[in-house]
Amino acid sequence: DQQVKQNSPSLSVQEGRISILNCDYTNSMFDYFLWYKKYPAEGPTFLISISSIKDKNEDGRFTVFLNKSAKHLSLHIVPSQPGDSAVYFCAASARGSNYKLTFGKGTLLTVNP
Amino acid sequence: EPEVTQTPSHQVTQMGQEVILRCVPISNHLYFYWYRQILGQKVEFLVSFYNNEISEKSEIFDDQFSVERPDGSNFTLKIRSTKLEDSAMYFCASSPDRAINQPQHFGDGTRLSIL
Repeated sequence: DQQVKQNSPSLSVQEGRISILNCDYTNSMFDYFLWYKKYPAEGPTFLISISSIKDKNEDGRFTVFLNKSAKHLSLHIVPSQPGDSAVYFCAASARGSNYKLTFGKGTLLTVNP
Repeated sequence: EPEVTQTPSHQVTQMGQEVILRCVPISNHLYFYWYRQILGQKVEFLVSFYNNEISEKSEIFDDQFSVERPDGSNFTLKIRSTKLEDSAMYFCASSPDRAINQPQHFGDGTRLSIL
């Protein structure tokens, strides 16, 4: 089941630079997209979300972009900080599915000081 | 900030034994979920629960699994006769309702190890 794909298992950036994490999906019924951050031995922590009626949502250093025609979303973190180092999961849900989340495999972000 | 709490953090059980994983969702939330993550794999949906009944379950959630909200605060996942392949991290999540823009909030998980 590859409905949500994060093709980069890892990403390394310098502190202060922009981090861009990417996610692709195949299910056209998805209408709500979320990014979660996960530290080792902790559960996923909600970061930011976007509904399919928007193409951008911003919250502080975090911005999510949605390109519905390409079935692609991305998370931008700027400026990146060492504390942002974690696994980032893209997730999606579809109306009528009881909002169960379908997750990608995650991308390990490392921000180097 | 309110959070979802899960106990125990780690459970070791012999194959064939029953196990109960416990969760306390955020107090004003109405929708509850269980997910699992087998080592090296994706987080997978197991079941959603609303108004004291299962609203959706995945293919993984077979007759060996059950969920219950025994009182106003706890939400449990029971595996009746555990198998080696049940070894995974189990995450509980809750959300206020099903309306859009209501993210699910996750607990820190229970690591289940089946011997």
